[in-house]
Amino acid sequence: AQKITQTQPGMFVQEKEAVTLDCTYDTSDQSYGLFWYKQPSSGEMIFLIYQGSYDEQNATEGRYSLNFQKARKSANLVISASQLGDSAMYFCAMRGQGGGSQGNLIFGKGTKLSVKP
Amino acid sequence: DSGVTQTPKHLITATGQRVTLRCSPRSGDLSVYWYQQSLDQGLQFLIQYYNGEERAKGNILERFSAQQFPDLHSELNLSSLELGDSALYFCASSVRIDGELFFGEGSRLTVL
Repeated sequence: AQKITQTQPGMFVQEKEAVTLDCTYDTSDQSYGLFWYKQPSSGEMIFLIYQGSYDEQNATEGRYSLNFQKARKSANLVISASQLGDSAMYFCAMRGQGGGSQGNLIFGKGTKLSVKP
Repeated sequence: DSGVTQTPKHLITATGQRVTLRCSPRSGDLSVYWYQQSLDQGLQFLIQYYNGEERAKGNILERFSAQQFPDLHSELNLSSLELGDSALYFCASSVRIDGELFFGEGSRLTVL
């Protein structure tokens, strides 16, 4: 069965510094996708970044980058130059291609990031 | 704004009652997904529809049902409500099966 593990329930980072949020995954699928979402206190889920299992380069979207290490089954999110507005819950998620999980995402428990001024 | 619209945003009801949550996906998106987010269970996938047909089922209780209509909007019906059903219910949509999901703002259900 597919599984996403986020081992950091909460993290603090100083404004303008970089921070890495950890994510490891487990799957037997050869083709899969990895996603990161942000959930501010207002509750909405905001898509941040995507990495395909066959992508050779790490995905980047503005200040967000995904450190993808396939052999270690990790997909860590790196936020550069943290801003106060980055304070939120961050969820790592995975989509598999096999069986009934043809489109839905499996989510980790999340990491609560707090940015200090 | 993700383009996914969910109503109502907040709902308070009593145990044993039935409620319907509504979702309008982004224009052109054929897939609709329902998720439940609670403090103890995290984000749980409930069910997925693609162009009107059920595509995948997750941890959806028998008291819950959903459907996707010809105009692609979807409804999630929750019946015989229990205190433990209190949660944030998200609808998400995607244009492709392998694309990213775009989430609505959620419907917060409180069962008293």
